[in-house]
Amino acid sequence: EVQLVVSGGGLVQPGGSLRLSCAASGFTFSTYWMTWVRQAPGKGLEWVANIRQDGGEINYVDSVKGRFSISRDNAKNSLYLQMNGLKAEDTAFYYCGGGGGYRSDLWGQGTLVTVSS
Amino acid sequence: DIVMTQSPDSLAVSLGERATINCKSSQSLLSSSTNKNYLDWYQHKSGQPPKVLISWASTRQSGVPDRFSGSGSGTDFTLTISSLQAEDVAVYYCQQYFSAPLTFGGGTKVEIK
Repeated sequence: EVQLVVSGGGLVQPGGSLRLSCAASGFTFSTYWMTWVRQAPGKGLEWVANIRQDGGEINYVDSVKGRFSISRDNAKNSLYLQMNGLKAEDTAFYYCGGGGGYRSDLWGQGTLVTVSS
Repeated sequence: DIVMTQSPDSLAVSLGERATINCKSSQSLLSSSTNKNYLDWYQHKSGQPPKVLISWASTRQSGVPDRFSGSGSGTDFTLTISSLQAEDVAVYYCQQYFSAPLTFGGGTKVEIK
């Protein structure tokens, strides 16, 4: 069974840091592009970042550039999102996805990140 | 960045009736090298991960009911639900993956009239 299990969400103060993890199973993780997408309360879906199979290409939405860092460990079948300098507007459910090329077929349950003092 | 504009923002349709959602991109999503349109349609229900319904603008994903269909090319795309069922209540998004950053439309909330 294909699974993407996201963990690491929680409450953090503005300016703080958080690291999200996405554990993959049931498919060959190392052959998939991986993606983070988020949904703020009452808002639509927003694509955040993606990373190529070998980590050699990484893309970010402008609003997180310089603050967020996507990475992966193919030996551990895991995807990460290191979030620094968090702002209130980063409050959202964060989902990880995987697929061929830029598009994603597989999606995991989200984790809630709340940035508040 | 490619801007995706969806219409309408919300839609109320009677059970068994047709629902039509439009999506317009600020530049063509049709690749000259692959002759494919780089656009997906998603269904998103509260508390669940997003689900891909249609890929490459018109290819229904495995397991998706055939009442869902996608059409269009270039900059104008449509998602049609031919006969709305109660379980189709959700927010629907188009997403382009022609170039990074990938972008979603603003979403269309579909409800039962």
